[in-house]
Amino acid sequence: ETGVTQSPTHLIKTRGQQVTLRCSSQSGHNTVSWYQQALGQGPQFIFQYYREEENGRGNFPPRFSGLQFPNYSSELNVNALELDDSALYLCASSLGTREDTQYFGPGTRLTVL
Amino acid sequence: KNQVEQSPQSLIILEGKNCTLQCNYTVSPFSNLRWYKQDTGRGPVSLTIMTFSENTKSNGRYTATLDADTKQSSLHITASQLSDSASYICVVFTGANNLFFGTGTRLTVIP
Repeated sequence: ETGVTQSPTHLIKTRGQQVTLRCSSQSGHNTVSWYQQALGQGPQFIFQYYREEENGRGNFPPRFSGLQFPNYSSELNVNALELDDSALYLCASSLGTREDTQYFGPGTRLTVL
Repeated sequence: KNQVEQSPQSLIILEGKNCTLQCNYTVSPFSNLRWYKQDTGRGPVSLTIMTFSENTKSNGRYTATLDADTKQSSLHITASQLSDSASYICVVFTGANNLFFGTGTRLTVIP
């Protein structure tokens, strides 16, 4: 167990809806990164938050947004869901943004119908 | 172009046998390389982290090697167990939040 938790475990939405995924970081970690992993593919970096500020973003449209709270838990919000958004969404927490081991959560499986 | 390529794409071995997974990368600059094990539907779990100066690192039955000159890494699994069945992902970090994932090798260990 990594100490990183995500909720919900599974989620089914329809096209056009909005979704919020949650991540609770490992105790003491101040950095959280979010990834999208399509079936059979490696994870793709969405963005990273460090001490409540966005600290980098991958090639994802603005309808993917995030928040990090003072307790370093985090949310990933996706608006106007598309079928291709169906994937496993992973969050990973770490202490600092460089040279530190990221600890991944178990993921949230999102299915968009 | 920054890329991480893994081979083979999938592998089936008998329980108790050894295997070696390969990772070639063209990522630059290089900070460190990590191997992760990912069970189906679960988040990746870190196996090893290797920096530029490290050639070999072991974690139990897992041994990773790194040749920074040829930009190649391997993960050797000794005396495989059924629980080793998973995807193994090679990830190269350039520092900060720049990281590049391979698509993984799907390992199946059969009795």
